[in-house]
Amino acid sequence: DAGVIQSPRHEVTEMGQEVTLRCKPISGHNSLFWYRQTMMRGLELLIYFNNNVPIDDSGMPEDRFSAKMPNASFSTLKIQPSEPRDSAVYFCASTSGGGNTIYFGEGSWLTVV
Amino acid sequence: KQEVTQIPAALSVPEGENLVLNCSFTDSAIYNLQWFRQDPGKGLTSLLLIQSSQREQTSGRLNASLDKSSGRSTLYIAASQPGDSATYLCAVSPSSNTGKLIFGQGTTLQVKP
Repeated sequence: DAGVIQSPRHEVTEMGQEVTLRCKPISGHNSLFWYRQTMMRGLELLIYFNNNVPIDDSGMPEDRFSAKMPNASFSTLKIQPSEPRDSAVYFCASTSGGGNTIYFGEGSWLTVV
Repeated sequence: KQEVTQIPAALSVPEGENLVLNCSFTDSAIYNLQWFRQDPGKGLTSLLLIQSSQREQTSGRLNASLDKSSGRSTLYIAASQPGDSATYLCAVSPSSNTGKLIFGQGTTLQVKP
């Protein structure tokens, strides 16, 4: 398997623009997670899905952030409008549930100027 | 609120040394604890997962211990190699969902040849 695939790997955008980050989990995994990593706050869970259903979005910082999982093989994290403080690395991860190993993608490096 | 702390923040050792990385957490009501490795510009790779009922886990030159009652875990790396240079992150899970994690800030390790 190719692992968790994220796109884009790098994005630079202007403040106020819409940003869409994409994730393809490992085939057969039924849990998907979005994390954000910054120097100041480290790694934080934003939202996670079980069987395509959002279970816990308490980590989503503001209404400007939204996430969807229309099917088992695709998820998006959208920021609209983007702000400079949204600059971070956004990771997607997936597991097959229970106590199984979690696999992370290589991240989407977002810079908002 | 659960907080995870890792000490030291950075560590530099000569090749061949045995070393210990420390992790502490404030709430002992955890389901499991994981150690991850992160290389620059990459995602996280799970190294070891210790269930709350376990005391330690071993994988090759790595050994992780867990003292749940005192809120501490250590990652022991034997005979360190330059290829071990990376950031090591500790994370706890409050539930059986191994993807819902609270991370420490990490220890950045440099092993000099």
